[in-house]
Amino acid sequence: NAGVTQTPKFQVLKTGQSMTLQCAQDMNHEYMSWYRQDPGMGLRLIHYSVGAGITDQGEVPNGYNVSRSTTEDFPLRLLSAAPSQTSVYFCASRKAQWFPNEQFFGPGTRLTVL
Amino acid sequence: QQQVKQSPQSLIVQKGGISIINCAYENTAFDYFPWYQQFPGKGPALLIAIRPDVSEKKEGRFTISFNKSAKQFSLHIMDSQPGDSATYFCAARGNTGTASKLTFGTGTRLQVTL
Repeated sequence: NAGVTQTPKFQVLKTGQSMTLQCAQDMNHEYMSWYRQDPGMGLRLIHYSVGAGITDQGEVPNGYNVSRSTTEDFPLRLLSAAPSQTSVYFCASRKAQWFPNEQFFGPGTRLTVL
Repeated sequence: QQQVKQSPQSLIVQKGGISIINCAYENTAFDYFPWYQQFPGKGPALLIAIRPDVSEKKEGRFTISFNKSAKQFSLHIMDSQPGDSATYFCAARGNTGTASKLTFGTGTRLQVTL
């Protein structure tokens, strides 16, 4: 049981480039989400999904796209990277969207946009 | 708009001492309050959580105190150890339409010295 996995661990992009951050979980969790973590700002929700085929915006969705074609995978796409998207990105999942189901986080992807 | 305010930003405690981290929230509809622990290079992990119908919850050396009328809650780490050195985030759960989301505090970096 690998839990929540994320790839890559580190990435450097140039402004305007696009890329996809991968996230997968093997716990058959319905709910998956993406956060970004910036110094002094905690974790902010980017997008989330309550099940395959269902996604919605979080607190800071601009510049990011997501899709959920399978229960296991929830990729985050940066369409045209900007320096403001330099951050550490965490994927998270939980069994169902309602609490108190425990939310598990992946190890993160550190992204730098030059 | 910071709905969950966390303090202090950083904290240095001697081994064996008590670490106290405070959080305050604004939204009275929040109904689940978890604390996460994050070690460098890792994703956050659930440490302990409380519902607003109880005033205190203890798990080992970790205790949450909850004051519903003041809209405040705090994490107490008794007999702090160097292995407790990490960043701690408080969070609060709120429902928005069909979704259940966590709002995080800005984090407290705890250093426990020998």
